[in-house]
Amino acid sequence: QVQLVQSGAEVKKPGSSVKVSCKASGGTFSSYAISWVRQAPGQGLEWMGRIIPILGIANYAQKFQGRVTITADKSTSTAYMELSSLRSEDTAVYYCAIQEDPVVTGWFDPWGQGTLVTVSS
Amino acid sequence: EIVMTQSPATLSVSPGERATLSCRASQSVSSNLAWYQQKPGQAPRLLIYGASTRATGIPARFSGSGSGTEFTLTISSLQSEDFAVYYCQQYNNWPPGFGQGTKVEIK
Repeated sequence: QVQLVQSGAEVKKPGSSVKVSCKASGGTFSSYAISWVRQAPGQGLEWMGRIIPILGIANYAQKFQGRVTITADKSTSTAYMELSSLRSEDTAVYYCAIQEDPVVTGWFDPWGQGTLVTVSS
Repeated sequence: EIVMTQSPATLSVSPGERATLSCRASQSVSSNLAWYQQKPGQAPRLLIYGASTRATGIPARFSGSGSGTEFTLTISSLQSEDFAVYYCQQYNNWPPGFGQGTKVEIK
């Protein structure tokens, strides 16, 4: 069973960028898709985008187009999510999660433990 | 974009009782629906996919039903560890989308 371990909490200034990592262990890294989902304090879940590592192709939610970049390093089985032009509304827990069949949209399982990103001046 | 609507927002239930949670899609998602459980400070956990298939290790007291636009998650006899927030998610269309959640609290 694949396990996902994310990088630690971050505090960022408005206007800056943050890059969160998600390292996979177990399974075959390139055979599935990795999505990023965020959750603002006390709020629901919001899908941001995903990457299929074997293809290196990323898709993004329209809301985040131009501001988010998702990449993957097959040599280290690690996916990255970089969000730029941060504002206070980006304060949230960011999760990575696997979609086992990269061909379809799919459900998310398993999930990383989450990374809290706080945007504050 | 498909909008997922869950009801009720909060459900108060006594331990041992049955809980019924609803999820409605703004257009048909066939059976491409998943349910997740989230406890405070934890990541969501997959419970159900394909509208009615339990994920690995999920107890039989959790069951899902429905297709098209109307879905239900039933917890047959609530245990203390089941008090949490539950989310539905459609994966029939891009982008995948979640409902706003139903909080199941102790009555």
